[in-house]
Amino acid sequence: EVQLVESGGGLVQPGGSLRLSCVASGFTVSTCPMGWVRQAPGKGLQWVSGITTGGGDTYYTDSVKGRFTISRDNPKNTLYLQMNSLRAEDTAVYYCAKWGLGGHRYDYWGQGTLVTVSS
Amino acid sequence: DIQLTQSPSFLSASVGDRVTITCRASQAISSYLAWYQQKLGKAPKLLIYVASTLQGGVPSRFSGSGSGTEFTLTISSLQPEDFATYYCQQFFNYPLTFGGGTKVEIK
Repeated sequence: EVQLVESGGGLVQPGGSLRLSCVASGFTVSTCPMGWVRQAPGKGLQWVSGITTGGGDTYYTDSVKGRFTISRDNPKNTLYLQMNSLRAEDTAVYYCAKWGLGGHRYDYWGQGTLVTVSS
Repeated sequence: DIQLTQSPSFLSASVGDRVTITCRASQAISSYLAWYQQKLGKAPKLLIYVASTLQGGVPSRFSGSGSGTEFTLTISSLQPEDFATYYCQQFFNYPLTFGGGTKVEIK
């Protein structure tokens, strides 16, 4: 059974850093494009970052470029999101998600982890 | 970046109603569009992908259509468990963007 379990969220001051983890089971992260999606309180979904298979090309939404880094650890079967220079507007629930076989959709999602950026 | 515009943003309907939600893309995205349902406090759930393919386990009252720049999600007969927020997402190119969402509430 496919499962994605996020962790690493919490309260951080503006300018601080956090690393989110997404431990996968039931599939291999290296063989599947994956991504992070966030949802600010009371707002809609916002795609944040994605990583492809193979060489692992990475992509970001403009507002996080240069501050966030997506990566994966294949032996640990884990996806990460390193978040630096955090801002109040980064406050959100962060979800990891995997592409379905054949692509073009996120078929499994984690339960989400809350990141709160506040002084 | 590709912008997705959903309409309406809010919809009030009754059980048994036929409901249609539209998603318009700022440029052609072939059929690379997915639809999700999200209930309060939960992760999104995939309903439809490549515009019209029903995800396994999703009731057949949900259907999707469209290609290019205009897409629709239809619920043929709204059930109590369908009251939720619905989002479209494009997978044509990065950054993968979402529509603003359509909240379906009970009339």
